[in-house]
Amino acid sequence: SYELTQPPSVSVSPGQTARITCFGDILPKQYAYWYQQKPGQAPLLIIYKDIQRPSGIPERFSGSSSGTTATLTISGVQAEDEADYYCQSADNSGLYPMFGGGTNLTVL
Amino acid sequence: QLQLQESGPGLVRPSETLSLTCTVSGGSISSSSYYWGWIRQPPGKGLEWIGNVFHTGSTYYNPSLKSRVTVSVDTPKKQVSLRLNSVTAADTAVYYCARRYYYGSGIIGGFDYWGQGTLVTVSS
Repeated sequence: SYELTQPPSVSVSPGQTARITCFGDILPKQYAYWYQQKPGQAPLLIIYKDIQRPSGIPERFSGSSSGTTATLTISGVQAEDEADYYCQSADNSGLYPMFGGGTNLTVL
Repeated sequence: QLQLQESGPGLVRPSETLSLTCTVSGGSISSSSYYWGWIRQPPGKGLEWIGNVFHTGSTYYNPSLKSRVTVSVDTPKKQVSLRLNSVTAADTAVYYCARRYYYGSGIIGGFDYWGQGTLVTVSS
């Protein structure tokens, strides 16, 4: 089975750029999706198909993918961006999704 | 605006069956563009996919839970159901219902709509 690996935590100062990585052998074959989850809330899809941003998601959130690594970039981090972030992909068939372990973003 | 609402008992005894229902409003449940799924999150931990169902009734389960899980869809009622048998304390979690978008050409996407989640505690 495939796994996705994320760093447990990332810290940045306000206004700086945060980069959260997601490593997985399936990523060259399947898209990556990113979710933001704030305490007590359901996850929110913020990036789909590696680089696409749903309507209503601020432009400071962007995604990229190269080889076995997908990256979520938050430019000009704001205090409100403090949250847990999860990557998600799927197996070769696409039918069986999996999540990374999550990264806690702290805004210093 | 599409809304998903989970409902069911908040407390389940060990060895019994956990049963939850997700009611979909504000949109179609029978479109071929969507899968409907369940995801759970133990307290303080990450997300775990449980299973998906297509409007045709086709189901796909996490291999680690497959022997205990049933996900089904009732399109007239616009409901998606989850049953998890033989629960233990390890099944204590917030359970989310979510929609997974199908782009076509075999590309199944992320979970674009989520319910608010419901906490289920397994305890005697």
